[in-house]
Amino acid sequence: DQQVKQNSPSLSVQEGRISILNCDYTNSMFDYFLWYKKYPAEGPTFLISISSIKDKNEDGRFTVFLNKSAKHLSLHIVPSQPGDSAVYFCAAKVDYGQNFVFGPGTRLSVLP
Amino acid sequence: DAGVTQSPTHLIKTRGQHVTLRCSPISGHKSVSWYQQVLGQGPQFIFQYYEKEERGRGNFPDRFSARQFPNYSSELNVNALLLGDSALYLCASSSEKNTEAFFGQGTRLTVV
Repeated sequence: DQQVKQNSPSLSVQEGRISILNCDYTNSMFDYFLWYKKYPAEGPTFLISISSIKDKNEDGRFTVFLNKSAKHLSLHIVPSQPGDSAVYFCAAKVDYGQNFVFGPGTRLSVLP
Repeated sequence: DAGVTQSPTHLIKTRGQHVTLRCSPISGHKSVSWYQQVLGQGPQFIFQYYEKEERGRGNFPDRFSARQFPNYSSELNVNALLLGDSALYLCASSSEKNTEAFFGQGTRLTVV
């Protein structure tokens, strides 16, 4: 039973345009959500997070939106750059939980 | 400050053998978690340790064990290796609040 889903295995975007990566979850007990970026042969790098008490969090070019009623979150990257090309993982945890539950990832390709 | 460091970076083992993977957390972090990532999937939670105590365990067989030392470094041990144990093993460290996990570069284990 996959609790965190990323239904788009891949996404291609032109440099300078917006990239939108989507994530859905099933566990209503999740209350903290994160996005990680992963390059080949490296570990995941933390990008941005959001608590369930918020619906938006912004950090530079990265913005995460949370829609709790729809159990959906998205990561917006504006403007997209070729260096953003990587696999992006959505992750979630419950407040008292010890572990993060990850989605399967979306491979983003930003084309010059 | 050094990030999370893992050793070795690559390892090839034969079925039935035993393996030990090592992790040093970010200075000041007392929590270490282990994740397994197979190709095409997100990281799957194996263990979390905090202050040398096991705080959580994922759905992995008893062949997997771990421990944390007084300096907060950690070892993951896997006995009786199977071909299906081939994966990237990721170590993550967290502060006491456990709101973000910071990953090392991983150990790529290949079982032949």
